Formats: sequence, C-alpha cells, structure tokens
Amino acid sequence: NAGVTQTPKFRVLKTGQSMTLLCAQDMNHEYMYWYRQDPGMGLRLIHYSVGEGTTAKGEVPDGYNVSRLKKQNFLLGLESAAPSQTSVYFCASSSGTGRYEQYFGPGTRLTVT
Amino acid sequence: GDSVTQMEGPVTLSEEAFLTINCTYTATGYPSLFWYVQYPGEGLQLLLKATKADDKGSNKGFEATYRKETTSFHLEKGSVQVSDSAVYFCALKNFNKFYFGSGTKLNVKP
Repeated sequence: NAGVTQTPKFRVLKTGQSMTLLCAQDMNHEYMYWYRQDPGMGLRLIHYSVGEGTTAKGEVPDGYNVSRLKKQNFLLGLESAAPSQTSVYFCASSSGTGRYEQYFGPGTRLTVT
Repeated sequence: GDSVTQMEGPVTLSEEAFLTINCTYTATGYPSLFWYVQYPGEGLQLLLKATKADDKGSNKGFEATYRKETTSFHLEKGSVQVSDSAVYFCALKNFNKFYFGSGTKLNVKP
C-alpha cells in the first residue's frame, strides 16, 4: 500500500494564481482531512470530508475549496492565492470515528510570492 | 471548544537522558488521545494512542497515560537516543475532528 500520497511536493505561485492539490489514499478510508502547518502553530484543519461527496469546513477554511468526488481522492483548491497561504499542507485520512488514528501524507510545500 | 496545549520547545537533551513532554487538553465528552512524531521533511506518524481514561499507550520505548482527572497525556521515555530527535505533537480526537498541539521540538545530542 502506498498509504496517503500528495501531489505536488513543492509549488511556487504568484499572488492571484490558482492551483489544486491532490490527495489520494488507498486504504479505503471514509474520512479525509486537509491541514496547514505554520511555524509555531501546529496543524490547523482547513476542510474535511466524512465520505464520498461530502465536505465540511474546519478551523481555517477561508480562501480554500475542496471536493471529494471519489472516495480515494480529496482535492484542495486555491482560487486566488495570497502570500498568507504560504505554508506546508498535509492531507490525512482515517477509517472512522472513535479510536481510529489519522494517516498523513508527506506534505506539499507551497510558496506564494 | 476542544484544544490541546503542550510545552514549548525546543527541548535539548543528552543521549540516555529521561524525557517528559507535557500535554494537557480541554474537551467535552470522551476524546481519544494521540502522540504523533514528525521527522524533518516528512508527514506526521502515529507514535502511540489511548482511547479511554487510565489507558497507557506505548511504542518504541515511549509511554503516555490518559489521565482524565488532570486532563493530561504526558509523553515519557526513559532513555532517549539521537534518532529520537524530531517534533512531537499531542492530539485529541472528538466527534470526527482532530485537534493538535503546536508541537515540541526535541534535540538529542550524542
């Protein structure tokens, strides 16, 4: 199993450009999550999904959109990138509620100039 | 709302020293608690977990006990190694959502 994969690994954008980050998992997990990690702030939840076709807002959803058209994929979109969105983005998946832990992808480092 | 607070770093120790990283939480209901570890340039990996009060999670010499009375889940290791150098995150899971602490960087010197 590849686990959780993310593409791309690195990206540089100019202010106002758009892009989509792709997360894929091969563990048949129902739940998927997008986080951003900034220095000294730990992980902050952007959006999450509890199943195919569903999405919900997390702690810091503004400026991002997501889609979960297939169970194995969770896309994070930036329609008009801003320098404040410079961060490392992590995708994670989980098999269910309760005691189940999350499995993380390797991250995408995004720089917006 | 739910939250996790963990001690600020960095923590610098000599090899074979005893490690404690403090973690306290605020949550309604009965959350599950986790410790994750992040090595440079990588994603987070689960280190250990505990799903109910008084449970002890353990892995690779690390331990943490779910203390509901003190709302704590402190990470301990009796003898750290250079290879333990990483960032450690305390987290809780409640109602489909995870909440992470800000992370504690551990540096272990030979």
